[in-house]
Amino acid sequence: AQRVTQPEKLLSVFKGAPVELKCNYSYSGSPELFWYVQYSRQRLQLLLRHISRESIKGFTADLNKGETSFHLKKPFAQEEDSAMYYCALSGPIEELTGGGNKLTFGTGTQLKVEL
Amino acid sequence: DTGVSQNPRHKITKRGQNVTFRCDPISEHNRLYWYRQTLGQGPEFLTYFQNEAQLEKSRLLSDRFSAERPKGSFSTLEIQRTEQGDSAMYLCASSLREGLADLNQETQYFGPGTRLLVL
Repeated sequence: AQRVTQPEKLLSVFKGAPVELKCNYSYSGSPELFWYVQYSRQRLQLLLRHISRESIKGFTADLNKGETSFHLKKPFAQEEDSAMYYCALSGPIEELTGGGNKLTFGTGTQLKVEL
Repeated sequence: DTGVSQNPRHKITKRGQNVTFRCDPISEHNRLYWYRQTLGQGPEFLTYFQNEAQLEKSRLLSDRFSAERPKGSFSTLEIQRTEQGDSAMYLCASSLREGLADLNQETQYFGPGTRLLVL
């Protein structure tokens, strides 16, 4: 079974401080992990995926298979980073017929960047 | 706007009524997913279409729920005899599978959701 855990419901940091949003997963196969972000009054949108190994808006995330973690980090928080962040795991849908991957989401972490 | 669209954005209904939601995926996306999100939770998978075929349904999807995707374009999600527990945000996402691309490398693009309140 797929499971994603985000232990913090709320993370409050000051502008300019480092940010780390925690994500741990449980999955028996080879995982594909994502971070999605939802800004106030906007739709859920992809922030980054581990396979791309890129930095988006200053955020990075490294997949650590030993610790089954995919924490999201940013060295210096900005006010515009305030949003809800969801970690998600993509895995094949059971009884596979023709492909398809369901996303299993964590419960989300609300990041609040204070001035 | 070429993104995923959903209608209506909000729906208030009385318990026992039927409701139907529509999702228009990104043009040419052959995969379409429905998710449900309740307060304080992340989205949970409900069902999945590849073109017009519904290939998977979550155990969350009771017999009162039915989804269709005629002609492999837009999709509808109908809830019959709504219950207060059906109150949630219903999200639609679409993606494109390209040939033999790695199954795990698809990106799902989400719509704005339909917020349902059952009184």
